Amino acid sequence: QVHLVQSGAEVRKPGSSVKISCKASGGTFNSYAVSWVRQAPGQGLEWLGGITPISRTSNYAQKFQDRVTINADTSTAYMELTSLTFEDTAVYYCARGLIVGARGLEFWGQGTLVTVSS
Amino acid sequence: QSVLTQPPSASGTPGQRVIISCSGTSSNIGSNTVNWYQQIPGTAPKLLIYVDNRRPSGVPDRVSGSKSGSSASLAISGLQSDDEADYYCATWDDSLNGWVFGGGTKVTVL
Repeated sequence: QVHLVQSGAEVRKPGSSVKISCKASGGTFNSYAVSWVRQAPGQGLEWLGGITPISRTSNYAQKFQDRVTINADTSTAYMELTSLTFEDTAVYYCARGLIVGARGLEFWGQGTLVTVSS
Repeated sequence: QSVLTQPPSASGTPGQRVIISCSGTSSNIGSNTVNWYQQIPGTAPKLLIYVDNRRPSGVPDRVSGSKSGSSASLAISGLQSDDEADYYCATWDDSLNGWVFGGGTKVTVL
């Protein structure tokens, strides 16, 4: 069973960028879907984008298209978000699919709190 | 405004059955499988159901999922105090080309 461990909390100023990592242990990202999801304080879940399981291409939610970059190697996935605003304060989660070659959000990391503050 | 529609709250007494609905459209639930998650505040979502009705190992059989057309449901039988949490449905949306979520349902055990 894969276990996803994310990098630690970050504090950034408005206009800056943040890059978060997600390391897989007991498994790999190869041939599995990878996604990043965020949750603002007191709010629901929101998908930022991900990597398709076979072609390994990245696709992003339209809302974040111009500001997010997601990539992954065999054992680590990354998410970079630029031009941060106060509204980007949230817990960011990585997630991996369960089934080879299929879309999925079955395994989740523990979350990384990103605080945007002046 | 979430793409998938869930009731904001649900409740029951210990031992009762609670059902949470998740309504979508033909471009999401109607053509893709549904996952359900439990989230206790301050922790990551935990997978309860995947591919509409499959339970991962460790999830008790009093938890079940179903789907019909463009709607899905999560049922929790034999309600227990540690079932108090927020529950989310999720699926792929072919029109948006991405994952979409329900707004979450807060379950309270009375």
